[in-house]
Amino acid sequence: DAGITQSPRHKVTETGTPVTLRCHQTENHRYMYWYRQDPGHGLRLIHYSYGVKDTDKGEVSDGYSVSRSKTEDFLLTLESATSSQTSVYFCAISEPPSRSNTEAFFGQGTRLTVV
Amino acid sequence: ELKVEQNPLFLSMQEGKNYTIYCNYSTTSDRLYWYRQDPGKSLESLFVLLSNGAVKQEGRLMASLDTKARLSTLHITAAVHDLSATYFCAVEIYYGGSQGNLIFGKGTKLSVKP
Repeated sequence: DAGITQSPRHKVTETGTPVTLRCHQTENHRYMYWYRQDPGHGLRLIHYSYGVKDTDKGEVSDGYSVSRSKTEDFLLTLESATSSQTSVYFCAISEPPSRSNTEAFFGQGTRLTVV
Repeated sequence: ELKVEQNPLFLSMQEGKNYTIYCNYSTTSDRLYWYRQDPGKSLESLFVLLSNGAVKQEGRLMASLDTKARLSTLHITAAVHDLSATYFCAVEIYYGGSQGNLIFGKGTKLSVKP
C-alpha cells in the first residue's frame, strides 16, 4: 500500500467551528489532492497541490483552504464548518502529469460529520 | 471544463453474465484510470490507460481507451459476486509544465447477484 495516512479517521464537530484534516505521505510524491465523496456525486476535487506551497482550487473549493509547508503533509481546513460539509474526505497522491504515469493512490478517508 | 460521465450509474447483474461500463469525457486527454471502491473503503487502482488504443486485462475485467472518441470501457466477463463494488473512471487533465489533476466520474455501483 502507498504510504498515505489521513488523520483523524472520524470526526464529529459542531457547526461554525474550524476543522483541520491532515494527510501525510511517505512516498515523496509531488502532487497531493483532497477530494470529498458524497452519494450521487462521486469524488469531487476540493484543492490540490503541485509542490510545497503550490496549491490550486478544484471544483468545490468554497469554504475550504489548504496548506502545504512540507512535501509530506497536506492540510485541509474547513474555516467554519457547515452541515453541507458532512462528507467523506479522501487524500490522494501522484506523480506530476508530465510523467508517464499519474496514477493516484488514496488514503483511507476521513468521515466528517458536522452537527 | 472537463466533464466525465459514467453510465450506467447503477448496474445489477446476474452471475455469469457479461456487461460493459462506459466512461465518456469532454476534453482531450490520453490518460485514463479505473478504480474500484468497496463499501466504506478507499479506492483501489485497477487499470492505467496511457494511450489511444490501450487495452488492459486483469481477471474478468478488461479496460480500453479510445482517445479519439473520448471513451473508455470497462468490460466484465462472466461476473461473480466478488466483483460487486463501485467502479470509477478518472481522466487526467494537463495544463502544461507539471500542472494538472484528475477528474472523476460519479461511479458505477455494480451488484452481482447469484
